[in-house]
Amino acid sequence: LAKTTQPISMDSYEGQEVNITCSHNNIATNDYITWYQQFPSQGPRFIIQGYKTKVTNEVASLFIPADRKSSTLSLPRVSLSDTAVYYCLVGGSNQAGTALIFGKGTTLSVSS
Amino acid sequence: DGGITQSPKYLFRKEGQNVTLSCEQNLNHDAMYWYRQDPGQGLRLIYYSQIVNDFQKGDIAEGYSVSREKKESFPLTVTSAQKNPTAFYLCASSMRTPNTGELFFGEGSRLTVL
Repeated sequence: LAKTTQPISMDSYEGQEVNITCSHNNIATNDYITWYQQFPSQGPRFIIQGYKTKVTNEVASLFIPADRKSSTLSLPRVSLSDTAVYYCLVGGSNQAGTALIFGKGTTLSVSS
Repeated sequence: DGGITQSPKYLFRKEGQNVTLSCEQNLNHDAMYWYRQDPGQGLRLIYYSQIVNDFQKGDIAEGYSVSREKKESFPLTVTSAQKNPTAFYLCASSMRTPNTGELFFGEGSRLTVL
């Protein structure tokens, strides 16, 4: 199972771009990289998912280098409401018995 | 609306009592998961199930039990053997094939042992 490492916390100001990097050195060939956002006392919410190169949706971009040993979640122009914990999840398989293990997450604090 | 429903949202129990947390999904997902979250901590996997009548232990299964008799339901029982059960419990589901790691979470159940 691929283990992930993220910074424990990050601080930013409103309007700035925030990049959160996740390290996953032993990622497997079939693994996808998925990022989640969690607010206090709520379940995590899917943000974005990718396998390689770059993926962009309406809220974020995900950059994955060719070796796939890391990934970077990019949040453009953050606002106060982006203050949350962000988790990087690596896993997924077409085979049965896949356990999806979360890392400790990155607490992002956005100030005005 | 499709989604995952966890109940109860808040639960109190006395030491030595078993308690069962409910998790129901109408997403037609094959796989379901239970995670535990302690204050300021990440999510730790308790049990997961890929298909009906089958489930696997996660990292912290001791003191917990599950069943998967129906595709829609994956209840978690916190037994008296769990030494420190006070925590926030999250249920999730995903497609089994392909299981890319896209999880859908419920809103959680907060258990407090008095």
